[in-house]
Amino acid sequence: QVQVVESGGGVVKPGRSLRLSCAASGFTFSAYGMHWLRQAPDKGLEWVAIIYFDGNTKYYADSVKGRFTISRDNSKNTVYLQMDNLRVDDTAIYYCARAMGSDAFDGWGQGTMVTVSS
Amino acid sequence: SSELTQDPAVSVALGQTVRITCQGDDLRNYYANWYQKKPGQAPVGVIYHKDNRPSGIPDRFSGSRSGDTASLTIVGAQAEDEADYYCGLRDSSGNHWVFGGGTRLTVL
Repeated sequence: QVQVVESGGGVVKPGRSLRLSCAASGFTFSAYGMHWLRQAPDKGLEWVAIIYFDGNTKYYADSVKGRFTISRDNSKNTVYLQMDNLRVDDTAIYYCARAMGSDAFDGWGQGTMVTVSS
Repeated sequence: SSELTQDPAVSVALGQTVRITCQGDDLRNYYANWYQKKPGQAPVGVIYHKDNRPSGIPDRFSGSRSGDTASLTIVGAQAEDEADYYCGLRDSSGNHWVFGGGTRLTVL
C-alpha cells in the first residue's frame, strides 16, 4: 500500500535552514506528483508545495515562495523540502502526501515536526 | 487565491445525521475533497471529487454540492467519527491548493 515517511524535522533558530525528506514506497513514485503540506499548532491544514512527477513543474504557497524549494529524486523514491530563512510562523508538523488526480491528496505520512524558535 | 469557509465546530448525537459545509466561490466550478484529521494521526481523505469514497471509508460518509457550497454528510455518526474535517480544492489559478479552516465534529 501507499506509504510515505517524513524525516528531517527539528528545532532551528529563525533565519536558519532545514531540509525535510519524504521516502515513498508501495507505488510507482515516478508516476505521481508529490505535495508538502503543514499544520501549525492549533491551526488548520495548509498546502505548501507540489512537484510534478518528472520534477519539471513546481508550485508554492505564497507564504513560502522564495524561501522553500521542493525537489525529488525518482531513483531514490524521495521528495525533499529545502527550507531556508525559516521564520517562527513556519513552526508546524510537515506532511508529505501523494497527488491524487489533479486536485487531491492521499497517502499522507505521519509528519515531521519543525520548530523555529530563538 | 481562493478562500473556503467552514463552521469552526459542529456537534451531533450518536447515531444521528450531521452535515458539515464548506463555502467558497470556486466551489461553483470545482468539487471539494474532504479530509479527516484526528489528533496525532495523519489526515485521511474521506470524500474525493464530489462523492467518491476511498476504500475503507464507511458508506455513512457522502458528499454533495449546491451552488457555492459543498457538504460532507455523515448518516448515523459514530464515536470514531469525532475529528476535524477539512474541505480542500485546487483553486481556479491551477497552481494553488487551498483548505477551509476546518470543522471540529463532536459526537455526543
